[in-house]
Amino acid sequence: DGGITQSPKYLFRKEGQNVTLSCEQNLNHDAMYWYRQDPGQGLRLIYYSQIVNDFQKGDIAEGYSVSREKKESFPLTVTSAQKNPTAFYLCASSTQQGVAFFGQGTRLTVV
Amino acid sequence: ILNVEQSPQSLHVQEGDSTNFTCSFPSSNFYALHWYRWETAKSPEALFVMTLNGDEKKKGQISATLNTKEGYSYLYIKGSQPEDSATYLCAPVSSNTGKLIFGQGTTLQVKP
Repeated sequence: DGGITQSPKYLFRKEGQNVTLSCEQNLNHDAMYWYRQDPGQGLRLIYYSQIVNDFQKGDIAEGYSVSREKKESFPLTVTSAQKNPTAFYLCASSTQQGVAFFGQGTRLTVV
Repeated sequence: ILNVEQSPQSLHVQEGDSTNFTCSFPSSNFYALHWYRWETAKSPEALFVMTLNGDEKKKGQISATLNTKEGYSYLYIKGSQPEDSATYLCAPVSSNTGKLIFGQGTTLQVKP
């Protein structure tokens, strides 16, 4: 089945550690996105990529990094510089018309 | 950044009730409006994409309208069912950046 896979579903990180969230899609979409959700807020854009080997910062990119070496993959690294990393992270890809398809999310908790 | 407001934030209705919610956004800075449904423990899924003023889309008992001149969209559910329980997200697409800007969502709970 075509879709977007995020892993892991739950992730625990110690303060000061970097951690990488995986996002893979087999929909053949060029564009991919990372969003963060906090309670009572909408989805906020962290990074996006319109094409392989290219990506741009979203609205809240500080403390995060990404790579886009393959069309299918868009991993997100939450670095120790991110001051409030505990959140729910959603990955998405989109059609050329801009319709987004989402993964099931990763809940990151800093312990 | 577009400021997108959805109201109400949450809604509890009885099975069979009809309901509607609102998405407001600055009318001058967008070129499309998306609605997504996000059920618990699932991924958000696209419901509608609208671009034209006066556009109306329908999917089963759910419909949406768009007013681009005043910057709002309504989502209607006729005869709500428990399976309609979800968070409904609206997302205008910024004409400056081409990016989706999500509202905080309206969470609907339909009681049997």
